Amino acid sequence: QVQLVQSGAEVKKPGASVKLSCKASGYTFTSYAIHWVRQAPGQGLDWVGWISAGNGDTKYSQKLRGRVTITRDTSATTAYLELSRLGPEDTAVYYCARDPPMDDWNYYYYMDVWGKGTTVTVTS
Amino acid sequence: QSVLTQPPSVSGAPGQWVTISCTGSTSNIGAGYDVHWYQQVPGTAPKLLIYSNNNRPSGVPDRFSASMSGTSASLAINGLLAEDEADYYCQSYDSTLSGMLFGGGTRLTVL
Repeated sequence: QVQLVQSGAEVKKPGASVKLSCKASGYTFTSYAIHWVRQAPGQGLDWVGWISAGNGDTKYSQKLRGRVTITRDTSATTAYLELSRLGPEDTAVYYCARDPPMDDWNYYYYMDVWGKGTTVTVTS
Repeated sequence: QSVLTQPPSVSGAPGQWVTISCTGSTSNIGAGYDVHWYQQVPGTAPKLLIYSNNNRPSGVPDRFSASMSGTSASLAINGLLAEDEADYYCQSYDSTLSGMLFGGGTRLTVL
């Protein structure tokens, strides 16, 4: 079955970086894209960024641009999110989610399968 | 402005019909970009409820439907059940942001 399995919880100090992983299985990884979405405690969903697993094209949230990098390893069918210069405001559950293709070059920009999330806590 | 606005909360009795609005602008919904809806039970990952304006993934009951008009979209839930109590989010693409946008979320309480 289609699954996105995310890495374990992280505790980081302010100013540090974190790298999260999202391992895909049950489908052709390179045919889809992956979104990263975060949710701070008690808050709503906040889009972080997106990567085409096929060609590696990326899009990032404007407010996080410069601190966020999304990559993928097609041989490992895994997407990664790296966030640098962490602050307390980055404390959140980070989800990865799959985005289906519309054709060879475009995607629908919705999230049909979600991982269970990774909790990132930034604290001194 | 690149924002999707939802009411913070709605409520209804079992069996009733409720709607949740999602108001955008000319850079997202009004530009013709699709609207998608998600359901999230607190403590769990969101689940896709409606995609591309009014399409239900397999397994989502037809009690859930959605519509669009101008710069707004709406999610309708018919025949409320206790299990529908959750947070609901709309989402679209925004051309000004060159990225995705979520509404602030609406908490549905089944009375």
